[in-house]
Amino acid sequence: EDQVTQSPEALRLQEGESSSLNCSYTVSGLRGLFWYRQDPGKGPEFLFTLYSAGEEKEKERLKATLTKKESFLHITAPKPEDSATYLCAVRSNDYKLSFGAGTTVTVRA
Amino acid sequence: DTGVSQNPRHKITKRGQNVTFRCDPISEHNRLYWYRQTLGQGPEFLTYFQNEAQLEKSRLLSDRFSAERPKGSFSTLEIQRTEQGDSAMYLCASSPPMGAGELFFGEGSRLTVL
Repeated sequence: EDQVTQSPEALRLQEGESSSLNCSYTVSGLRGLFWYRQDPGKGPEFLFTLYSAGEEKEKERLKATLTKKESFLHITAPKPEDSATYLCAVRSNDYKLSFGAGTTVTVRA
Repeated sequence: DTGVSQNPRHKITKRGQNVTFRCDPISEHNRLYWYRQTLGQGPEFLTYFQNEAQLEKSRLLSDRFSAERPKGSFSTLEIQRTEQGDSAMYLCASSPPMGAGELFFGEGSRLTVL
């Protein structure tokens, strides 16, 4: 069974203080690693898909990278509006995503 | 642009009552998913439809849970004889037939069982 572990559980940052979130995974044949953002009381919002080790994707202040066993989400010079829970998920078959518990990021002005 | 729509957004019910949630996916998406999310956890897979066919049900989906997608468009998730442990956010997602695998989620239906 696919397993996804995210760390840390919570991250408190000062505005402008860059940091990274970790997603470790165990999967029999990775067919995609996905990052989502989730605001309180809302559904997850798709951010990135990564398929192979060494791949990188960027969107505004976010950059996702992938190795054979983990993925990192780097937040560069965060702003308060980047405060959210960031979820990592993996796909090992044709359709289902398995999610981690998420990292809750709080950015203080 | 119409995203995934879920109704109702909030439902408070007494233990033992039945509840039904509806999901309208993005119109050209043939794949539809139900997930459940509790506080502090990530979404957990419940079931998956491709068009009208229900192709997988998680062991989390007890006999009290039933999902349908009768015409391959909207879907319903019914919970019979609700228990306090059913309190959660029920998320619906859809994906297109030739997509890259990402799911597009609705805003969720929050269930509180008293």
